Amino acid sequence: GDQVEQSPSALSLHEGTGSALRCNFTTTMRAVQWFRKNSRGSLINLFYLASGTKENGRLKSAFDSKERYSTLHIRDAQLEDSGTYFCAAGTGGYKVVFGSGTRLLVSP
Amino acid sequence: NAGVIQTPRHKVTGKGQEATLWCEPISGHSAVFWYRQTIVQGLEFLTYFRNQAPIDDSGMPKERFSAQMPNQSHSTLKIQSTQPQDSAVYLCASSSGLGVDTQYFGPGTRLLVL
Repeated sequence: GDQVEQSPSALSLHEGTGSALRCNFTTTMRAVQWFRKNSRGSLINLFYLASGTKENGRLKSAFDSKERYSTLHIRDAQLEDSGTYFCAAGTGGYKVVFGSGTRLLVSP
Repeated sequence: NAGVIQTPRHKVTGKGQEATLWCEPISGHSAVFWYRQTIVQGLEFLTYFRNQAPIDDSGMPKERFSAQMPNQSHSTLKIQSTQPQDSAVYLCASSSGLGVDTQYFGPGTRLLVL
């Protein structure tokens, strides 16, 4: 079935640095969504993309349907960015497939 | 906008008991989704309603699990004869239902079956 491979599974950053999370898809996806799980366990919407890139503050996401990947870039990481990040993608219908998550830890 | 509301936030049941989880979608959203999250399986799709009609329940375990959406303002996920392996976080999401669209997630219900 459709799969989403998310990497890395864990990431440690120092405050002020940055990195990128990536999701590779085994099939052509129509859209991708990125979430962050907060301390209460809720999934917070970060981005929804059908193509191109979007930026919000220190976060930027890109989606290339043809090349079958999406990325989430974090710059100038802050302590409050710590958490688990998920990507989810759909082939055009209602069903989405989730990545396995990236656990981000930002330290002083 | 209160977002997607799920109740209860936490539920502990004994093995063999019934558990009912509630979801109130965002007002005006016509699509409601149920997911389950476990450490082993990650996030799994369970079932989906559009305009209160069940569209796809392919992710639902064949036995003991059922979902309903009696009106546009709430959906329920019922687990009969709960088992320890049912322990998970159950997430509800809603969307406007217009094709591929952003899904908005509730805070989830953490179910623990002892």
